[in-house]
Amino acid sequence: QSALTQPASVSGSPGQSITISCTGTSSDVGSYNLLSWYQQHPGKAPKLMIYEGSKRPSGVSNRFSGSKSGNTASLTISGLQAEDEADYYCCSYAGSSTLVFGGGTKLTVL
Amino acid sequence: QVQLQESGPGLVKPSETLSLTCTVSGGSISSYYWSWIRQPPGKGLEYIGYIFYNGSTNYNPSLKSRVTISVDTSKNQFSLKLSSVTAADTAVYYCARVGRYYDILTGYSPDAFDIWGQGTMVTVSS
Repeated sequence: QSALTQPASVSGSPGQSITISCTGTSSDVGSYNLLSWYQQHPGKAPKLMIYEGSKRPSGVSNRFSGSKSGNTASLTISGLQAEDEADYYCCSYAGSSTLVFGGGTKLTVL
Repeated sequence: QVQLQESGPGLVKPSETLSLTCTVSGGSISSYYWSWIRQPPGKGLEYIGYIFYNGSTNYNPSLKSRVTISVDTSKNQFSLKLSSVTAADTAVYYCARVGRYYDILTGYSPDAFDIWGQGTMVTVSS
């Protein structure tokens, strides 16, 4: 099983919207809606931001949203804020009870 | 609220076995999957495996031959053993709770890593 593909970096200015893609295959992202997104600030543990493709855990800002089309999932952050600058990882169920992460995307708020 | 805390040696010699324990507090170890994830310095997250309270496990195929995850329900703990370590196993090791998703056709599947420990750095070096 191969890692999901994410862009290495994305950037945006405060107030703008950005989208981070996560591309897999028909064996993982394309077959299941068990796709989650994590935010990780330097030196900290990852934090769950989106699960089951588009659901937000309690306490996560509604500026964060998730979607999927075919083998590609997306995380959109609207109204960018300085505190959103972090690394973001996607993770998908890949069948046979296993899970696979994306390589991660560094978000820079200009 | 549920909290997770990793513990174990921060330094392991090459070819030896890395052993870590995750203690779950504030809730029962039943009803969820419990997992290990690692992150080499400056790199991304890598799924290692998970265990259910009844002992059933799933491992990353790339690590399966060297990984054992076990659970001690009496202590509300689960553990990781990684054998024959090399410098490539140097990483921050996280334990995390995994939700369970039920589908009437496929049964239970792992969902998201919803609660994480703070992580513990393990260095493999002589």
